[in-house]
Amino acid sequence: DTGVSQDPRHKITKRGQNVTFRCDPISEHNRLYWYRQTLGQGPEFLTYFQNEAQLEKSRLLSDRFSAERPKGSFSTLEIQRTEQGDSAMYLCASSPQQGNQPQHFGDGTRLSIL
Amino acid sequence: GESVGLHLPTLSVQEGDNSIINCAYSNSASDYFIWYKQESGKGPQFIIDIRSNMDKRQGQRVTVLLNKTVKHLSLQIAATQPGDSAVYFCAETDDMRFGAGTRLTVKP
Repeated sequence: DTGVSQDPRHKITKRGQNVTFRCDPISEHNRLYWYRQTLGQGPEFLTYFQNEAQLEKSRLLSDRFSAERPKGSFSTLEIQRTEQGDSAMYLCASSPQQGNQPQHFGDGTRLSIL
Repeated sequence: GESVGLHLPTLSVQEGDNSIINCAYSNSASDYFIWYKQESGKGPQFIIDIRSNMDKRQGQRVTVLLNKTVKHLSLQIAATQPGDSAVYFCAETDDMRFGAGTRLTVKP
């Protein structure tokens, strides 16, 4: 399978714990995006990378959130001191750098905060 | 601020009928739009895209229409099948914004 891969698919944790998610994009894609999706809503943009550079962050990305893409390939999204409101699906997408191109999404990591 | 939104949250059609899903956008500078399909438990799947220099684009059983005058997009699905049942999102990629989605249900 050469699509976008996310791990884990599901994460259940207690409030206050830290969690980290991983995204492996399509190998030739330079751009990588993180979104959050809550039930009944469309994906909300969090941040995006072009290669290893984090070019844009949404105001939704509080200080408890951090994303990295150290080698311009896979990316991680960490949430520190999780809160109930962090419960959501976290989606990763990737796209080629050239021009307007559709983003290809993974199947997400569903986070549940107890 | 600018936003992307959909007119209807749900749409129910009979198998074999044509479906039309609408989307309004407010950023007149938007240059590129995408329609995605999302099935339960999965990520959004690309269906079709259109650039602002076009007003119509056709794919297999799907057509996207863009009306820049009224800032409106529509997705038409011909001969809707049960496998088309899903939530459909339009996305305005300049700002990486998605609408809330329309749930399409196809009745056999």
